[in-house]
Amino acid sequence: AQTVTQSQPEMSVQEAETVTLSCTYDTSENNYYLFWYKQPPSRQMILVIRQEAYKQQNATENRFSVNFQKAAKSFSLKISDSQLGDTAMYFCALPHMDSNYQLIWGAGTKLIIKP
Amino acid sequence: ETGVTQSPTHLIKTRGQQVTLRCSSQSGHNTVSWYQQALGQGPQFIFQYYREEENGRGNFPPRFSGLQFPNYSSELNVNALELDDSALYLCASSFWGSGNTIYFGEGSWLTVV
Repeated sequence: AQTVTQSQPEMSVQEAETVTLSCTYDTSENNYYLFWYKQPPSRQMILVIRQEAYKQQNATENRFSVNFQKAAKSFSLKISDSQLGDTAMYFCALPHMDSNYQLIWGAGTKLIIKP
Repeated sequence: ETGVTQSPTHLIKTRGQQVTLRCSSQSGHNTVSWYQQALGQGPQFIFQYYREEENGRGNFPPRFSGLQFPNYSSELNVNALELDDSALYLCASSFWGSGNTIYFGEGSWLTVV
């Protein structure tokens, strides 16, 4: 069975610091995608970054980057120069092997950026 | 702004009633999926629609049903509401194809009393 595990229920850092959120997963697929979504208090689920498993290069989007370790099935999210607006729940997600539109989600990490 | 819009944003229903939630997908997207997110939890997949047919379903009973229209908009219907149905219902749209990103609407908050 495919699973996604986020082992950090909550984290807090000072504004401008760098923070890394952890995610491990399990899948028997060889080609797949991984996503990080952000859910602020408004509750809208917002795509942060995505990684294609066949690409060795780690994805980067401005202050957000990932450390993708395919053999270890690890997919961590690094946020640099954190801002107050980064305060949110962060979910790691993996598409189900039978359907790209059925995402399997981790339990989420609540990230608090302190001024 | 994802281009996925949902209505209503909030509603309160009584146990046993029926509810319809609506979703307009992002322009160019032909696949829509629905998720239920209880407070403090991650989303749970309900079902997805492509070309007006359901082609994937999560572990939800038949009283959860849906429709997709020719313009790719969608409805989620829940009959015989139960207290545990209280949750945020998220609609997501995408273009059919491997690896295409899923974009979410702002959700509909349903409270069952």
